[in-house]
Amino acid sequence: QLQLVQSGPEVRKPGASVKVSCKTSGYSFATYIITWVRQAPGQGLEWLGYVNPYSGGSNYVESLQGRVTMTTDTSTKTAYLDLDNLTSGDTAVYYCARGLSTEWFDYWGQGTLVTVS
Amino acid sequence: AIQLTQSPPSLSASVGDRVTITCRASQVIASALAWYQQTPGKPPKVLISDASNLESGVPSRFSGSGSGTDFTLSITSLQPEDFATYYCQQFYSFPRTFGQGTKVEVK
Repeated sequence: QLQLVQSGPEVRKPGASVKVSCKTSGYSFATYIITWVRQAPGQGLEWLGYVNPYSGGSNYVESLQGRVTMTTDTSTKTAYLDLDNLTSGDTAVYYCARGLSTEWFDYWGQGTLVTVS
Repeated sequence: AIQLTQSPPSLSASVGDRVTITCRASQVIASALAWYQQTPGKPPKVLISDASNLESGVPSRFSGSGSGTDFTLSITSLQPEDFATYYCQQFYSFPRTFGQGTKVEVK
């Protein structure tokens, strides 16, 4: 069945980097955009950006420009989120989600908790 | 960035009640709005797209309306599984943005 399965929780020190993976199955990977959203503890949802597995194109939220990279590996149907120079403000659950376009997101991964401390 | 303001931030209701949540955009976004439901420890689930289009598998007690800057999510006859936090999200322009959420709690 259709699934987006994310990598496990991560703990990093300030200034370090983290890479979160999102392995997909059950659908045509190249047909759908992968979007990343995060949620700080007890807070709302924040859109981080998207990557197009077909073209490789991406678009990131301005506040993370220079620190974030979103990529895909079509051979393994996996999407990746790289975030550099972490601060305590990056502590959050990170979600991958798929959408037929960049507009709304119909299937989500289970979330990956990244703790920066 | 377009700001979305949801009201109320939280509400208390009972099973069987009708619930209405509003989302106001800081500028006109046509019908480029989606609604999500999130329960603790789970990812969001899309309920409504294009302001009023009920997603496949979503119960018909959920409905969305509005266009321009003012939008509404309604739940008729609230069920136990509907106690959750609801978010609106605009896709009129980048960056995509979410409302701050409305928590529906048990009265």
